[in-house]
Amino acid sequence: EVVLTQSPATLSLSPGERATLSCRASQSVDTYIAWYQQKPGQAPRLLIYDASNRATGIPARFSGSGSGTDFTLTISSLEPEDFAVYYCQQRHNWLFAFGPGTRVDIE
Amino acid sequence: QVHLMQSGTEVKKPGASVKLSCETSGYTFTTYTMHWVRQAPGQGLEWMGWIDPGSGSRKYSDKFHGRVTLTSDTSASTVYMELSSLRSEDTAVYYCARGIIQWLGYWGQGTLVTVSS
Repeated sequence: EVVLTQSPATLSLSPGERATLSCRASQSVDTYIAWYQQKPGQAPRLLIYDASNRATGIPARFSGSGSGTDFTLTISSLEPEDFAVYYCQQRHNWLFAFGPGTRVDIE
Repeated sequence: QVHLMQSGTEVKKPGASVKLSCETSGYTFTTYTMHWVRQAPGQGLEWMGWIDPGSGSRKYSDKFHGRVTLTSDTSASTVYMELSSLRSEDTAVYYCARGIIQWLGYWGQGTLVTVSS
């Protein structure tokens, strides 16, 4: 079973700043990683799939990178609506699992 | 457009089973996998399993294997998730989510399941 860890648990930043979120897998998942954003009371939203591809309608300030075991979600300049919880998810042997999440708070 | 409509809130006693539904519209039902994900109050997301309505294939998370069953009804364009032997820790919002290139691109509104004696 592949386990994901995310860091930091909480990131406190101001609008306009750059956010860098990390996701690490316990073994290689190639590029089978996705990132989701979740706001309170809402279902998650797919942001990035296959490590670096933006989903339809996702702004260009969101980008993903990485392969193997280390992955990064970058938000180049935080907008007020970007303060939320972000989850990475892996797919390995057609089983999926989420990381514990990173909360991006307004500082 | 793609729409996933989930069944309503459930309250169950420990040891009981619950069967949730996810009615789909706006796309060819048999073309895409459907996943189930749950979220306990104040906690993170937990993937439970997926079903391919076209082939009938299923995969379950090891954590739920033996307690969860995913089924589909092509005539009703609906997927079902049944969870048995409920305990208080199963109290959560349960989501269905349709695959997009294998990832979870469309989500239902969620169903709250409360397990309490």
